[in-house]
Amino acid sequence: EPEVTQTPSHQVTQMGQEVILRCVPISNHLYFYWYRQILGQKVEFLVSFYNNEISEKSEIFDDQFSVERPDGSNFTLKIRSTKLEDSAMYFCASRKGGHQPQHFGDGTRLSIL
Amino acid sequence: ELKVEQNPLFLSMQEGKNYTIYCNYSTTSDRLYWYRQDPGKSLESLFVLLSNGAVKQEGRLMASLDTKARLSTLHITAAVHDLSATYFCAVDTMNRDDKIIFGKGTRLHILP
Repeated sequence: EPEVTQTPSHQVTQMGQEVILRCVPISNHLYFYWYRQILGQKVEFLVSFYNNEISEKSEIFDDQFSVERPDGSNFTLKIRSTKLEDSAMYFCASRKGGHQPQHFGDGTRLSIL
Repeated sequence: ELKVEQNPLFLSMQEGKNYTIYCNYSTTSDRLYWYRQDPGKSLESLFVLLSNGAVKQEGRLMASLDTKARLSTLHITAAVHDLSATYFCAVDTMNRDDKIIFGKGTRLHILP
């Protein structure tokens, strides 16, 4: 069965550095999402993306965050100047469309030092 | 704004017992997910419930959805230690982008 794949599985970065988290959604899916889970807390919506633009973003998704679909297969989340509080597990998800269920990747654990 | 509430948030139970986790949500939706998460691990999809009255079972776990009551249940039968994990319900907003809203999770601890 097709899967959403995320890389890297674990990223360790110094505070203030930029990070790019990568996701390869399922190939015929049209809607893409990023979610975040701080350790011990619930999973929170960050942003949804459709037709090469952001369709909705949460309050968490401020100016330091950006998303891109650079080449028709990858879907990336960039955090420009990381803060300690950005340490979390980041999940990518994709959906085919037409109210089909979302499929989640295994996540990237981001640790900011 | 859709809100999803789970209860209990923490459950400690003996092996062999039955219990139910409840998930209430605040606005209309007919698509609900249950996930399992082990400490430090990813989300494992357990069930996708897509219509009113949907019931799905896998091993000792059974999930149901009542869209009229805006309630889903995850029932555990004859619990075993391996089922210890955090269980999240998540509800699709049914908007154009269909983002998912998660509950806070139920941390289940099964005592041998």
